Amino acid sequence: SAVISQKPSRDICQRGTSLTIQCQVDSQVTMMFWYRQQPGQSLTLIATANQGSEATYESGFVIDKFPISRPNLTFSTLTVSNMSPEDSSIYLCSVPGLARNEQFFGPGTRLTVL
Amino acid sequence: RKEVEQDPGPFNVPEGATVAFNCTYSNSASQSFFWYRQDCRKEPKLLMSVYSSGNEDGRFTAQLNRASQYISLLIRDSKLSDSATYLCVVNKDYQLIWGAGTKLIIKP
Repeated sequence: SAVISQKPSRDICQRGTSLTIQCQVDSQVTMMFWYRQQPGQSLTLIATANQGSEATYESGFVIDKFPISRPNLTFSTLTVSNMSPEDSSIYLCSVPGLARNEQFFGPGTRLTVL
Repeated sequence: RKEVEQDPGPFNVPEGATVAFNCTYSNSASQSFFWYRQDCRKEPKLLMSVYSSGNEDGRFTAQLNRASQYISLLIRDSKLSDSATYLCVVNKDYQLIWGAGTKLIIKP
C-alpha cells in the first residue's frame, strides 16, 4: 500500500483567503484524486490530477475555485481559493492501489473557514 | 435519489452481537463494490471488496444482490474496535461513488 501524507493537517482560515493543501506519496503514481468530505456527507470527488496534463474536474467543481498542480509523479497540491464558510470540510487526496479500483487515502486536511 | 444510499445510523450494538448494514445503489450498470471503514477523524480504508458470490473475511461477510441492487455487510461477534463509520462504495467506469456511511457504535 502507498504511504500518503498531507499538509496541513488542519487550518482555520478567514473568508476570502486561499489555502494550498499538499499531498505527497511515497511511490510514483500516474493518477491522484482530490476529494471533499463535508460533515455527515459522503466523499465527493473534486478532480483527478494527472502528471503532465491539466486536472479533470467533476461536475460542480471548477479550476478557478480549486486549482490543482501535479509537478511530478509523487506530489500534488489543491488550492481552495477565495474561501467561504461553505468550503469548511475535510479535503483528502488518494491514489489507486494495485487491486482494481481500490484507493489509498491521505490523512486529510480539516479546513474551517470563518 | 442519491446514487448510493446508506442508513446513517448510529447503530448502537452490545459487544459480541451480530450487526448487519445494507446499502442500495441506483445504477444497474455498476461494476464493482466495496466496503470501506472510516474511524473518527481518520481517512477511509478498504475493509473488503464485495464479490457476486458473496465473500467472508474473518468476522465480516459481504453480500451482493444485483437484482435488488443492494450490498450488505454482516459483522459477527462484534468488538469494541469495530466502532467506526462503514462506507459503501460502488464503481462504474472506474469512478468510485461513495455512500455517506453508517455509523456503528459497539458498547461494552
